[in-house]
Amino acid sequence: DQQVKQNSPSLSVQEGRISILNCDYTNSMFDYFLWYKKYPAEGPTFLISISSIKDKNEDGRFTVFLNKSAKHLSLHIVPSQPGDSAVYFCAASVGGADGLTFGKGTHLIIQP
Amino acid sequence: DAGVIQSPRHEVTEMGQEVTLRCKPISGHDYLFWYRQTMMRGLELLIYFNNNVPIDDSGMPEDRFSAKMPNASFSTLKIQPSEPRDSAVYFCASSLNWDSNEKLFFGSGTQLSVL
Repeated sequence: DQQVKQNSPSLSVQEGRISILNCDYTNSMFDYFLWYKKYPAEGPTFLISISSIKDKNEDGRFTVFLNKSAKHLSLHIVPSQPGDSAVYFCAASVGGADGLTFGKGTHLIIQP
Repeated sequence: DAGVIQSPRHEVTEMGQEVTLRCKPISGHDYLFWYRQTMMRGLELLIYFNNNVPIDDSGMPEDRFSAKMPNASFSTLKIQPSEPRDSAVYFCASSLNWDSNEKLFFGSGTQLSVL
């Protein structure tokens, strides 16, 4: 049973527009959430995170929103750039002590 | 630092053969993780170590899989005997310590193909 779900395998967005990637989770014990970005033939790299005590965290063009009641988080990228084309993984942890649980990923394609 | 180093980058083997994947974590990192990526299941945690000691191996799929960390700078993941369904990308990751504020640093992965 997937505890972290990314229901969109792929997403296509025009350059300059906003990209919104969604993630749902089922384990109410998760208290820390992260987004990782992965280019082909490379390992995932950390992008942005949010603690469960917050509902928003912003870093430049990237903003993560957390809705605990809905067990939902989203990553907003604005404006989208060609270099943002990658697979984005949502991840969650319980106190950080047991490793991260990842979703299956969403392949974001930024079209010129 | 060169980051997490994995070898080989690609491995093609025949069913029944033994496969050994290698990982060198970032120096000073206390935690080491092995993940497997497949289309069907995404990124799955197989096992992780803290200070060279295996802490949780509940993600290891079968007894055919084993992992060791003989010292702070080296870990192996072994599959014996290998099967076609083991074909996947295997990632090693390390972190300085593990609390909610730390992040994983991944290697580039080993693409395993079992024919």
